[in-house]
Amino acid sequence: AQSVTQLDSQVPVFEEAPVELRCNYSSSVSVYLFWYVQYPNQGLQLLLKYLSGSTLVKGINGFEAEFNKSQTSFHLRKPSVHISDTAEYFCAVSEIRGTLGRLYFGRGTQLTVWP
Amino acid sequence: SQTIHQWPATLVQPVGSPLSLECTVEGTSNPNLYWYRQAAGRGLQLLFYSVGIGQISSEVPQNLSASRPQDRQFILSSKKLLLSDSGFYLCAWSVGGNEQYFGPGTRLTVT
Repeated sequence: AQSVTQLDSQVPVFEEAPVELRCNYSSSVSVYLFWYVQYPNQGLQLLLKYLSGSTLVKGINGFEAEFNKSQTSFHLRKPSVHISDTAEYFCAVSEIRGTLGRLYFGRGTQLTVWP
Repeated sequence: SQTIHQWPATLVQPVGSPLSLECTVEGTSNPNLYWYRQAAGRGLQLLFYSVGIGQISSEVPQNLSASRPQDRQFILSSKKLLLSDSGFYLCAWSVGGNEQYFGPGTRLTVT
């Protein structure tokens, strides 16, 4: 079975500061990796995904993430955050050859951006 | 383009009453469909998933059930709601086994 650990449940930062949201996973097989964002009372929106190729993945809203296979990590970064980035962020993995489309989610990181 | 709808958006139901939440997907064929529940501070819990009409897999034993009467319709039901069923219910779809796309969710409050 897969497991996903988001190391910080809450991350407060000031506007225009850089941010990193950490995600580690455990898996005995190759995986796909995803980051989702959830604004209050809304569904989840896909930020970015790693399927193969370059380990640095760029997503929407200026976010990027880097896949590190040796450290089994997929940390999300943004060089300068805005107040509108305040939301909950979820890391997720799926097995490349697993049950079709089964995603395993972390418990989420609440990012709060202060003016 | 593909879209996913959920209704109702919010629901307040008394303990012991029945439940029916509906999810429909447009613009794709034979999607995988998923029901998740999000309770406060507990992340996302996968409840059911379906790879085709009438094919339902349950992840967590509970008093909820799911059905897929049509290719792009997924229904979550309960005969008698419990207080612990309160939460935010999300439907999602995927094709090809990669990323999932989520609906807007239903906020259920059991009183």
